[in-house]
Amino acid sequence: EIVLTQSPATLSLSPGERATLSCRASQSVSNYLVWYQQKPGQAPRLLIYDVSNRATGIPARFSGSGSGTDFTLTISSLEPEDFAVYYCQQRSNWPLTFGGGTKVEIK
Amino acid sequence: EVQLLETGGGLVQPGGSLRLSCAASGFTFSSYAMGWVRQAPGKGLEWVSAITGSGTNTFYADSVKGRFTISRDSSRDTLYLQMDSLRAEDTAVYYCAKRTSSSSGWFDYWGQGTLVTVSS
Repeated sequence: EIVLTQSPATLSLSPGERATLSCRASQSVSNYLVWYQQKPGQAPRLLIYDVSNRATGIPARFSGSGSGTDFTLTISSLEPEDFAVYYCQQRSNWPLTFGGGTKVEIK
Repeated sequence: EVQLLETGGGLVQPGGSLRLSCAASGFTFSSYAMGWVRQAPGKGLEWVSAITGSGTNTFYADSVKGRFTISRDSSRDTLYLQMDSLRAEDTAVYYCAKRTSSSSGWFDYWGQGTLVTVSS
Protein backbone atom coordinates (compact mmCIF):
# COMPACT_ATOMS: atom_id res chain seq x y z
CA GLU A 1 0.00 0.00 0.00
CA ILE A 2 1.29 3.45 -0.89
CA VAL A 3 1.27 5.71 2.16
CA LEU A 4 0.80 9.44 1.60
CA THR A 5 2.16 11.70 4.32
CA GLN A 6 0.93 15.28 4.38
CA SER A 7 2.65 18.10 6.19
CA PRO A 8 2.15 20.15 8.12
CA ALA A 9 -0.97 18.81 9.83
CA THR A 10 -2.11 22.38 10.47
CA LEU A 11 -1.09 25.60 8.77
CA SER A 12 -2.03 28.87 10.50
CA LEU A 13 -1.97 31.79 8.07
CA SER A 14 -3.65 35.11 7.43
CA PRO A 15 -5.70 36.06 4.35
CA GLY A 16 -3.40 37.22 1.58
CA GLU A 17 -0.52 34.99 2.67
CA ARG A 18 0.95 32.16 0.61
CA ALA A 19 0.21 28.56 1.63
CA THR A 20 2.50 25.68 0.79
CA LEU A 21 1.24 22.16 1.51
CA SER A 22 3.31 19.02 1.11
CA CYS A 23 2.38 15.44 0.21
CA ARG A 24 5.04 12.73 0.24
CA ALA A 25 4.47 9.21 -1.10
CA SER A 26 6.14 6.06 0.25
CA GLN A 27 6.95 5.08 -3.34
CA SER A 28 6.63 6.70 -6.73
CA VAL A 29 3.10 7.47 -7.90
CA SER A 30 4.28 8.88 -11.23
CA ASN A 31 1.91 11.78 -11.98
CA TYR A 32 -1.17 10.05 -10.56
CA LEU A 33 -1.62 12.52 -7.74
CA VAL A 34 -4.64 14.73 -7.01
CA TRP A 35 -5.64 17.34 -4.41
CA TYR A 36 -9.07 17.83 -2.87
CA GLN A 37 -10.45 20.60 -0.67
CA GLN A 38 -12.99 19.88 2.04
CA LYS A 39 -14.90 22.40 4.10
CA PRO A 40 -16.81 21.49 7.30
CA GLY A 41 -20.01 19.60 6.60
CA GLN A 42 -19.30 19.40 2.88
CA ALA A 43 -18.08 16.73 0.48
CA PRO A 44 -14.54 16.97 -0.88
CA ARG A 45 -14.06 19.00 -4.04
CA LEU A 46 -11.51 18.18 -6.74
CA LEU A 47 -8.90 20.96 -7.00
CA ILE A 48 -5.89 19.65 -8.91
CA TYR A 49 -5.48 16.44 -10.92
CA ASP A 50 -2.45 14.75 -12.47
CA VAL A 51 -0.18 16.80 -10.17
CA SER A 52 -0.64 20.20 -11.77
CA ASN A 53 -3.90 20.51 -13.70
CA ARG A 54 -6.60 22.67 -12.19
CA ALA A 55 -10.10 21.20 -12.22
CA THR A 56 -12.95 23.08 -13.82
CA GLY A 57 -13.74 26.32 -12.04
CA ILE A 58 -10.72 26.28 -9.74
CA PRO A 59 -9.07 29.71 -9.41
CA ALA A 60 -5.56 30.29 -10.72
CA ARG A 61 -4.25 30.97 -7.20
CA PHE A 62 -4.23 27.19 -6.71
CA SER A 63 -1.30 25.36 -8.27
CA GLY A 64 0.27 21.94 -7.94
CA SER A 65 3.75 20.69 -8.62
CA GLY A 66 6.07 17.75 -8.01
CA SER A 67 6.87 14.34 -9.36
CA GLY A 68 7.55 10.80 -8.22
CA THR A 69 7.21 10.95 -4.45
CA ASP A 70 7.17 14.65 -3.50
CA PHE A 71 4.29 16.95 -4.31
CA THR A 72 3.22 20.45 -3.36
CA LEU A 73 -0.05 22.35 -3.40
CA THR A 74 0.42 26.12 -3.37
CA ILE A 75 -2.22 28.74 -2.74
CA SER A 76 -0.59 31.97 -3.85
CA SER A 77 -2.72 34.38 -1.82
CA LEU A 78 -5.26 33.00 0.62
CA GLU A 79 -8.85 34.11 0.28
CA PRO A 80 -11.32 33.72 3.18
CA GLU A 81 -13.01 30.81 1.41
CA ASP A 82 -9.73 28.87 1.16
CA PHE A 83 -9.57 28.02 4.85
CA ALA A 84 -10.35 24.32 4.79
CA VAL A 85 -8.78 20.87 4.92
CA TYR A 86 -6.77 19.67 1.93
CA TYR A 87 -6.16 16.03 1.02
CA CYS A 88 -3.88 14.45 -1.54
CA GLN A 89 -4.75 11.11 -3.15
CA GLN A 90 -2.95 8.67 -5.45
CA ARG A 91 -4.33 6.30 -8.07
CA SER A 92 -1.04 4.76 -9.14
CA ASN A 93 -1.64 1.52 -7.26
CA TRP A 94 -4.47 -0.31 -5.56
CA PRO A 95 -5.63 0.38 -2.96
CA LEU A 96 -6.36 4.01 -3.66
CA THR A 97 -5.00 6.00 -0.73
CA PHE A 98 -5.43 9.45 0.73
CA GLY A 99 -3.08 11.51 2.81
CA GLY A 100 -4.09 12.43 6.34
CA GLY A 101 -4.92 15.99 5.39
CA THR A 102 -3.62 19.49 6.09
CA LYS A 103 -5.90 21.96 7.81
CA VAL A 104 -5.38 25.56 6.69
CA GLU A 105 -6.74 27.74 9.46
CA ILE A 106 -7.01 31.48 10.00
CA LYS A 107 -4.21 32.86 12.14
CA GLU B 1 -25.39 19.15 -14.03
CA VAL B 2 -23.89 16.08 -12.38
CA GLN B 3 -25.74 15.05 -9.24
CA LEU B 4 -25.12 12.16 -6.87
CA LEU B 5 -27.59 11.46 -4.08
CA GLU B 6 -26.79 8.86 -1.43
CA THR B 7 -29.46 7.23 0.67
CA GLY B 8 -29.70 4.27 3.02
CA GLY B 9 -27.58 5.35 5.95
CA GLY B 10 -28.71 4.97 9.54
CA LEU B 11 -28.14 3.25 12.85
CA VAL B 12 -27.37 -0.47 12.78
CA GLN B 13 -26.19 -2.93 15.41
CA PRO B 14 -22.77 -4.58 15.20
CA GLY B 15 -23.00 -7.61 12.94
CA GLY B 16 -25.91 -6.12 11.04
CA SER B 17 -26.33 -5.15 7.40
CA LEU B 18 -27.17 -2.03 5.45
CA ARG B 19 -27.42 -1.20 1.76
CA LEU B 20 -26.45 2.23 0.53
CA SER B 21 -27.72 3.61 -2.76
CA CYS B 22 -26.42 6.45 -4.89
CA ALA B 23 -28.73 7.86 -7.54
CA ALA B 24 -26.79 9.50 -10.37
CA SER B 25 -27.94 12.07 -12.92
CA GLY B 26 -26.50 14.57 -15.36
CA PHE B 27 -24.08 12.18 -17.10
CA THR B 28 -24.02 8.86 -18.94
CA PHE B 29 -23.82 6.61 -15.89
CA SER B 30 -22.60 3.46 -17.64
CA SER B 31 -19.64 5.33 -19.15
CA TYR B 32 -17.95 6.08 -15.86
CA ALA B 33 -16.34 4.15 -13.07
CA MET B 34 -17.70 4.95 -9.62
CA GLY B 35 -16.54 4.55 -6.05
CA TRP B 36 -17.32 4.85 -2.36
CA VAL B 37 -15.17 6.84 0.06
CA ARG B 38 -15.86 7.10 3.78
CA GLN B 39 -14.93 9.49 6.55
CA ALA B 40 -15.12 8.52 10.21
CA PRO B 41 -16.20 11.34 12.56
CA GLY B 42 -13.40 13.89 12.83
CA LYS B 43 -11.07 11.80 10.68
CA GLY B 44 -9.69 11.82 7.16
CA LEU B 45 -10.87 10.24 3.93
CA GLU B 46 -10.65 6.48 3.35
CA TRP B 47 -11.32 4.81 0.02
CA VAL B 48 -13.71 1.87 0.39
CA SER B 49 -14.57 0.40 -3.00
CA ALA B 50 -14.68 1.06 -6.73
CA ILE B 51 -16.36 -0.41 -9.80
CA THR B 52 -15.75 0.04 -13.50
CA GLY B 53 -18.34 1.56 -15.82
CA SER B 54 -19.37 -1.83 -17.17
CA GLY B 55 -19.58 -3.30 -13.68
CA THR B 56 -17.19 -6.06 -14.69
CA ASN B 57 -14.41 -5.19 -12.29
CA THR B 58 -14.71 -4.37 -8.61
CA PHE B 59 -12.10 -3.33 -6.07
CA TYR B 60 -12.11 -3.19 -2.27
CA ALA B 61 -10.04 -1.86 0.59
CA ASP B 62 -8.68 -4.66 2.77
CA SER B 63 -10.69 -3.29 5.69
CA VAL B 64 -13.99 -4.16 3.97
CA LYS B 65 -13.06 -7.03 1.66
CA GLY B 66 -15.38 -10.00 2.15
CA ARG B 67 -17.95 -7.89 4.01
CA PHE B 68 -18.95 -5.17 1.53
CA THR B 69 -20.16 -5.59 -2.06
CA ILE B 70 -20.29 -2.82 -4.64
CA SER B 71 -22.64 -3.05 -7.60
CA ARG B 72 -24.40 -0.85 -10.12
CA ASP B 73 -27.62 -0.86 -12.11
CA SER B 74 -27.31 1.13 -15.31
CA SER B 75 -31.05 0.81 -16.00
CA ARG B 76 -31.63 2.80 -12.82
CA ASP B 77 -28.44 4.93 -12.93
CA THR B 78 -27.76 3.79 -9.40
CA LEU B 79 -24.68 2.65 -7.49
CA TYR B 80 -24.97 0.39 -4.46
CA LEU B 81 -22.89 -0.65 -1.49
CA GLN B 82 -24.10 -3.73 0.39
CA MET B 83 -22.51 -3.71 3.83
CA ASP B 84 -22.64 -6.90 5.90
CA SER B 85 -21.07 -7.92 9.23
CA LEU B 86 -20.82 -4.29 10.21
CA ARG B 87 -18.41 -3.23 12.91
CA ALA B 88 -18.14 -0.16 15.11
CA GLU B 89 -15.14 0.99 13.05
CA ASP B 90 -17.36 1.17 9.95
CA THR B 91 -19.12 4.18 11.47
CA ALA B 92 -18.60 7.03 9.02
CA VAL B 93 -20.11 9.30 6.44
CA TYR B 94 -20.12 7.36 3.17
CA TYR B 95 -19.65 9.34 -0.02
CA CYS B 96 -20.48 8.16 -3.50
CA ALA B 97 -18.14 9.60 -6.13
CA LYS B 98 -17.84 9.56 -9.91
CA ARG B 99 -14.53 8.82 -11.56
CA THR B 100 -13.26 10.53 -14.70
CA SER B 101 -13.18 7.52 -17.03
CA SER B 102 -14.82 4.15 -17.53
CA SER B 103 -12.05 2.26 -15.80
CA SER B 104 -10.18 4.61 -13.49
CA GLY B 105 -9.40 8.29 -13.04
CA TRP B 106 -10.00 10.76 -10.28
CA PHE B 107 -13.14 11.43 -8.24
CA ASP B 108 -14.43 14.55 -9.94
CA TYR B 109 -17.94 14.66 -8.46
CA TRP B 110 -19.09 13.66 -4.99
CA GLY B 111 -22.43 13.21 -3.32
CA GLN B 112 -23.29 14.92 -0.04
CA GLY B 113 -22.75 11.71 1.93
CA THR B 114 -24.88 9.47 4.13
CA LEU B 115 -24.06 8.69 7.76
CA VAL B 116 -23.75 5.09 8.90
CA THR B 117 -23.59 4.50 12.64
CA VAL B 118 -22.78 1.03 13.94
CA SER B 119 -23.64 0.79 17.61
CA SER B 120 -25.60 -1.30 20.05
